[in-house]
Amino acid sequence: AQSVTQPDIHITVSEGASLELRCNYSYGATPYLFWYVQSPGQGLQLLLKYFSGDTLVQGIKGFEAEFKRSQSSFNLRKPSVHWSDAAEYFCAVGGSEYGNKLVFGAGTILRVKS
Amino acid sequence: DSGVTQTPKHLITATGQRVTLRCSPRSGDLSVYWYQQSLDQGLQFLIQYYNGEERAKGNILERFSAQQFPDLHSELNLSSLELGDSALYFCASSVVGSQDTQYFGPGTRLTVL
Repeated sequence: AQSVTQPDIHITVSEGASLELRCNYSYGATPYLFWYVQSPGQGLQLLLKYFSGDTLVQGIKGFEAEFKRSQSSFNLRKPSVHWSDAAEYFCAVGGSEYGNKLVFGAGTILRVKS
Repeated sequence: DSGVTQTPKHLITATGQRVTLRCSPRSGDLSVYWYQQSLDQGLQFLIQYYNGEERAKGNILERFSAQQFPDLHSELNLSSLELGDSALYFCASSVVGSQDTQYFGPGTRLTVL
């Protein structure tokens, strides 16, 4: 079965520090990969996506992610975290082999300390 | 603002009742997806409609049903509600299907007492 693993439930970083959120997936072919962010009481906002091509993708709010096929990973990074980045982050995988649905990881809650 | 709208924002009801959640997709999007977010199950895909037809089904209970109307808005009907149905229900839309990005609405928070 397809699955997405986000190994870190909570991460706390200092404002201005760099951030990396991990995501691993299990899948047979090249999936479509997404990162979404959910602020408290809000819906899911798309940060970035990977379909094909350049394995380093840029997103909104200064986020980037790198697809590494050999490691089945799609980690999210940001060089300098702002207090407003505190939220829950979800990695998701989709594609025709998933029957058009998105399969989500359990999420990582990011706390930013000043 | 994703362009996907959902009503109502909050819904409080009792066990055994029936509710309807409504979703309007982004202009031009033909596919609508429903997801359930709960503390114990996380984000789970329920069902997808494309241009009025059911396209894919996930972990949707038999007590739940959905439809997509000619104007492309969709409704998710939840009946014989149980305490465990309390969750955040999201609607997402995309242009066509598998290769398109899904944009999510703000969700409907359902509380079953």
